[in-house]
Amino acid sequence: NAGVTQTPKFQVLKTGQSMTLQCAQDMNHEYMSWYRQDPGMGLRLIHYSVGAGITDQGEVPNGYNVSRSTTEDFPLRLLSAAPSQTSVYFCASRDPLAGNIQYFGAGTRLSVL
Amino acid sequence: AQSVTQLGSHVSVSEGALVLLRCNYSSSVPPYLFWYVQYPNQGLQLLLKYTTGATLVKGINGFEAEFKKSETSFHLTKPSAHMSDAAEYFCAVTSSGYSTLTFGKGTMLLVSP
Repeated sequence: NAGVTQTPKFQVLKTGQSMTLQCAQDMNHEYMSWYRQDPGMGLRLIHYSVGAGITDQGEVPNGYNVSRSTTEDFPLRLLSAAPSQTSVYFCASRDPLAGNIQYFGAGTRLSVL
Repeated sequence: AQSVTQLGSHVSVSEGALVLLRCNYSSSVPPYLFWYVQYPNQGLQLLLKYTTGATLVKGINGFEAEFKKSETSFHLTKPSAHMSDAAEYFCAVTSSGYSTLTFGKGTMLLVSP
């Protein structure tokens, strides 16, 4: 049972480059979310999805795009990376019918130079 | 809107001492409350949760938390700290029908011999 899988674990980008952070879950959860974690800031919600084809913005969506074509996958795209996007990114999924427990991936550590 | 306040970005205790990590929340509807733990360079792991029912909730690794509606609090305690408890702890809130989970900024627990 893999749970939530994030790839890559580490990434270094140059300013202006684009990339996609991958997230996949095998628990058939409808709800999925992306967070970024910065020192002293806790986890801040970037985007979330309540099901395939439905996404919405969180607290800090600027500079990020998402789409949800399947229940399993929820990729996060950085269109033009900036140093301010240096952070640790976590993907999570949850089942609101099962106590709302959120399951996290292991994270992607991103550095933008 | 919902919010979470964790009092103290860092808490230091001696091994064997009581652990108390404070969490206060704001919610206009009955809350679901969670404590997550993050060990260095890892993702977040659920410690315990409160949804409905008994207000004293027991979690993994000897931790427990008490939901106090009158005080809008959900403080995390452990009678005797172990060195292995050193980690960052996050309190989070959501509610039935809510799509998102709101996190506090986290409290780093330091345990000294």
